[in-house]
Amino acid sequence: ELKVEQNPLFLSMQEGKNYTIYCNYSTTSDRLYWYRQDPGKSLESLFVLLSNGAVKQEGRLMASLDTKARLSTLHITAAVHDLSATYFCAVDRRNSGNTPLVFGKGTRLSVIA
Amino acid sequence: EPEVTQTPSHQVTQMGQEVILRCVPISNHLYFYWYRQILGQKVEFLVSFYNNEISEKSEIFDDQFSVERPDGSNFTLKIRSTKLEDSAMYFCASSPMDRGNTDTQYFGPGTRLTVL
Repeated sequence: ELKVEQNPLFLSMQEGKNYTIYCNYSTTSDRLYWYRQDPGKSLESLFVLLSNGAVKQEGRLMASLDTKARLSTLHITAAVHDLSATYFCAVDRRNSGNTPLVFGKGTRLSVIA
Repeated sequence: EPEVTQTPSHQVTQMGQEVILRCVPISNHLYFYWYRQILGQKVEFLVSFYNNEISEKSEIFDDQFSVERPDGSNFTLKIRSTKLEDSAMYFCASSPMDRGNTDTQYFGPGTRLTVL
């Protein structure tokens, strides 16, 4: 059974600081997704990582994928309050696209002044 | 930008009642999904649908659940006899068939189901 583990589950960080969220998964996969969820809202797609070594950046967020280590990271640079949200990583159940996603438990990020 | 829409946004029902949750996927998408998220927990897969039939379902998706695509645009999730533990946010998602960068699943805003 595919397991997806995120850490930390809760993260409180000061504005301007850097931090990394980690996502480990238990089976071979080269398709990993990051989503953002604001309280009471839907899941917004942030990044799609489709190969080993993939790196994508959008604003203050950068995601990477190491399929050999079965690890993805979401790096936050110079955090601002607007980044406060819950971040989920998800892995394709069968590594073939258009298949059910298995989500991690999410990392609740709170950026404080 | 096209988006997945869901109705209603909030549904309150009595235990044992039937509910139908509605979704309109993005128009050129071919794969459709239902997920649920119990308050404060992770998102869990329920069922996927392709070519007018269920392609995969989870152990959560038992006989009380069914899905249907009654016309060319709507995709519905029916819960026949709701239980207290069905209270959750239900998300519909859709994705195109392309296995490249565009096969991201796009999620709707969700329906919050409260079973009393």
